Amino acid sequence: DTAVSQTPKYLVTQMGNDKSIKCEQNLGHDTMYWYKQDSKKFLKIMFSYNNKELIINETVPNRFSPKSPDKAHLNLHINSLELGDSAVYFCASSQDRGDYGYTFGSGTRLTVV
Amino acid sequence: TQLLEQSPQFLSIQEGENLTVYCNSSSVFSSLQWYRQEPGEGPVLLVTVVTGGEVKKLKRLTFQFGDARKDSSLHITAAQPGDTGLYLCAGVNAGNMLTFGGGTRLMVKP
Repeated sequence: DTAVSQTPKYLVTQMGNDKSIKCEQNLGHDTMYWYKQDSKKFLKIMFSYNNKELIINETVPNRFSPKSPDKAHLNLHINSLELGDSAVYFCASSQDRGDYGYTFGSGTRLTVV
Repeated sequence: TQLLEQSPQFLSIQEGENLTVYCNSSSVFSSLQWYRQEPGEGPVLLVTVVTGGEVKKLKRLTFQFGDARKDSSLHITAAQPGDTGLYLCAGVNAGNMLTFGGGTRLMVKP
């Protein structure tokens, strides 16, 4: 009964490949997010999405795209992977804009070789 | 330049000592949140403060939100080895997204 679950936990792939990371939340939250955590542990917002609006951080390359089949899922698709994409990616969810807290998944460690 | 500046970045103390972590910004936040992250896991919410001047206590942890809603502090009394981890402050701003500080890595030695 994990609140926010991500798969896979680890992903190793070659440069140029296309990959997806899946995220599901069972909290009934209406907003979901993707964050990227770099090697220095800095967490950076990539996308915010609810059933009304997708907000994209302008620094995110357009090789990254969120896909939401329904309110409980927000998957992250990455095209033409590059070495610099290696990081830990976290999915999160909140009610509305999250003034009372976000719930995070346990992360997906992506390694591009 | 980060929107939220945390200090110190690293802190190593002995069990039983007290410590304070600071989170500062020039921006106003509607909500300021503190998270703790363990290796291999996602951040876990500790507390949310929404009112300027608000103080919240969670056992040995005391959280304070600045009067102007631009800064916050986390004070730990009588630190224990189990408090070791990465502490992150984060704020919800006008853009309606949670922005994180750079984190404070705390190590408490027995």
